[in-house]
Amino acid sequence: GDSVTQMEGPVTLSEEAFLTINCTYTATGYPSLFWYVQYPGEGLQLLLKATKADDKGSNKGFEATYRKETTSFHLEKGSVQVSDSAVYFCALSDYEYSTLTFGKGTMLLVSP
Amino acid sequence: EAGVAQSPRYKIIEKRQSVAFWCNPISGHATLYWYQQILGQGPKLLIQFQNNGVVDDSQLPKDRFSAERLKGVDSTLKIQPAKLEDSAVYLCASGFLGNTEAFFGQGTRLTVV
Repeated sequence: GDSVTQMEGPVTLSEEAFLTINCTYTATGYPSLFWYVQYPGEGLQLLLKATKADDKGSNKGFEATYRKETTSFHLEKGSVQVSDSAVYFCALSDYEYSTLTFGKGTMLLVSP
Repeated sequence: EAGVAQSPRYKIIEKRQSVAFWCNPISGHATLYWYQQILGQGPKLLIQFQNNGVVDDSQLPKDRFSAERLKGVDSTLKIQPAKLEDSAVYLCASGFLGNTEAFFGQGTRLTVV
């Protein structure tokens, strides 16, 4: 079945540092790929998405590129802020049913 | 635009008791999902509805969990009887079929003691 593997956390960075959170997937067909973010005490929010190979999703300074050849969708941000502290989930969705398969999540902690 | 509404936000029950969660999806969204998120893990799909029909309930523990979506709008998820391992956040989401975004509610945090 479909699966998502993302790097374990917590990832601890200082403000303005560069961020990479690795995500790889296993899927049949051509899934869409997502990054969701969960701030403390809140529900999941879509951060960005890509629906086909070589697409780049971007939002709020975060970027991720759908790499079919390496089955990866790594999340990057050039300069993190304290307000980016949250748990980040990589996920994929099959076309037919649109159900999301999530990774285990990576906690990001940014200190001033 | 109003988001996905869930209630209650928090619930504490004793094992073997029953509990019910309610979800009101975004207006016009035909697809509704219930996910279970155990602490430290990613959400796991329990059941998916398309209008008021079940699309996927393969991971729903049917001996104790049940869900319905009457009239293709609101949905209720029930657990009877609850076990300690049911302690989790129960997330409701809505959207459309076809590789598009799912919108999540804030979730119900269930603690079974």
